[in-house]
Amino acid sequence: SQQGEEDPQALSIQEGENATMNCSYKTSINNLQWYRQNSGRGLVHLILIRSNEREKHSGRLRVTLDTSKKSSSLLITASRAADTASYFCATDARNTGKLIFGQGTTLQVKP
Amino acid sequence: EAGVVQSPRYKIIEKKQPVAFWCNPISGHNTLYWYLQNLGQGPELLIRYENEEAVDDSQLPKDRFSAERLKGVDSTLKIQPAELGDSAVYLCASSLNLNEQFFGPGTRLTVL
Repeated sequence: SQQGEEDPQALSIQEGENATMNCSYKTSINNLQWYRQNSGRGLVHLILIRSNEREKHSGRLRVTLDTSKKSSSLLITASRAADTASYFCATDARNTGKLIFGQGTTLQVKP
Repeated sequence: EAGVVQSPRYKIIEKKQPVAFWCNPISGHNTLYWYLQNLGQGPELLIRYENEEAVDDSQLPKDRFSAERLKGVDSTLKIQPAELGDSAVYLCASSLNLNEQFFGPGTRLTVL
């Protein structure tokens, strides 16, 4: 079963534009994580935000968390062609390491 | 530092045959995870080990799937017999305690 729903399912933008992906989840969480997956590869951890945090930054990434709405967003600023990948949110309900992944957003950045 | 190593990368078998996947986690990582990823979906946890103990195998179809992590290092996931619906990518990940998970490249299984 998958907890998260991601929106949009697919996103195509031009290089230099910003990309925003949203994730909604159903049950309360301890933390929420974002991962990137390039085609045919494993997932790469991008950022973790805890339930008591509202916003977190890492380089060109900005993640927000709204626990009242059970939603999170990932913003990639000044996108590059190399950002082309699938992006997944994953929730950890009890800080057990058991991650429930969403279905992902496929991002295409055109050069 | 080497990442999570998985083998084989690709496997094609006929239904009802057995198949095994191997994973070597990052050195020192005590927690190891096996995930199944269907096309266009996010990964789904099959089993999680802390050292050699399987602490969460609630999603593992135990009638045909088995896993082991002898000596708390590398791990093997087995399917016997394989069914058509088992075609997917099998991902292994490891972490130090409950910190970020590092994923291997996966094994793409095709059951004919």
